[in-house]
Amino acid sequence: QKEVEQNSGPLSVPEGAIASLNCTYSDRGSQSFFWYRQYSGKSPELIMFIYSNGDKEDGRFTAQLNKASQYVSLLIRDSQPSDSATYLCAVGTNAGKSTFGDGTTLTVKP
Amino acid sequence: GAVVSQHPSWVICKSGTSVKIECRSLDFQATTMFWYRQFPKQSLMLMATSNEGSKATYEQGVEKDKFLINHASLTLSTLTVTSAHPEDSSFYICSAQGAVSGANVLTFGAGSRLTVL
Repeated sequence: QKEVEQNSGPLSVPEGAIASLNCTYSDRGSQSFFWYRQYSGKSPELIMFIYSNGDKEDGRFTAQLNKASQYVSLLIRDSQPSDSATYLCAVGTNAGKSTFGDGTTLTVKP
Repeated sequence: GAVVSQHPSWVICKSGTSVKIECRSLDFQATTMFWYRQFPKQSLMLMATSNEGSKATYEQGVEKDKFLINHASLTLSTLTVTSAHPEDSSFYICSAQGAVSGANVLTFGAGSRLTVL
């Protein structure tokens, strides 16, 4: 079992819809959780991080964390074609490293 | 916001030569820097963790003698690919931790695309 698992996709949604990206992790002691976006040929950029159970909202993005279920998700409201990218879920370890999932490719169709 | 400068952004070299890639945190002191490699359509692969003033910690399967990492200061880490071969052609990305106090947030460099002929 991978430490951080994501559906590889591709996930396709129409413009204006909600895109839902999911991630599960195996280390129950994980404390920090991150979502990064990576456009093709570019390096990742941070979208959000979350530490506590519940929801955290930032503009059109909402991160949801459920530590009991070892599950973290990212919702993108009013999806735009510019949101088309690969979304990487990362889980922070006690050693300060982040373990990345393989990413979910999202395509937003106009 | 926090910026990590990485260069060169792309480099082409002949087989057998060495290539150095620099990673600088411009407006914060990076407590830790990480080096990744990414092949087309694949995920990030952590190569090594770099802490200022100490030896880098390499991930299993990464040759430390081939991928030399030097973390000379709190703002600079370098990766040298020694005796590069075509199979070393990849996208190398650095990231730095320390932009957000108390958090493991990573700020990534723009990446360096290496092509070995």
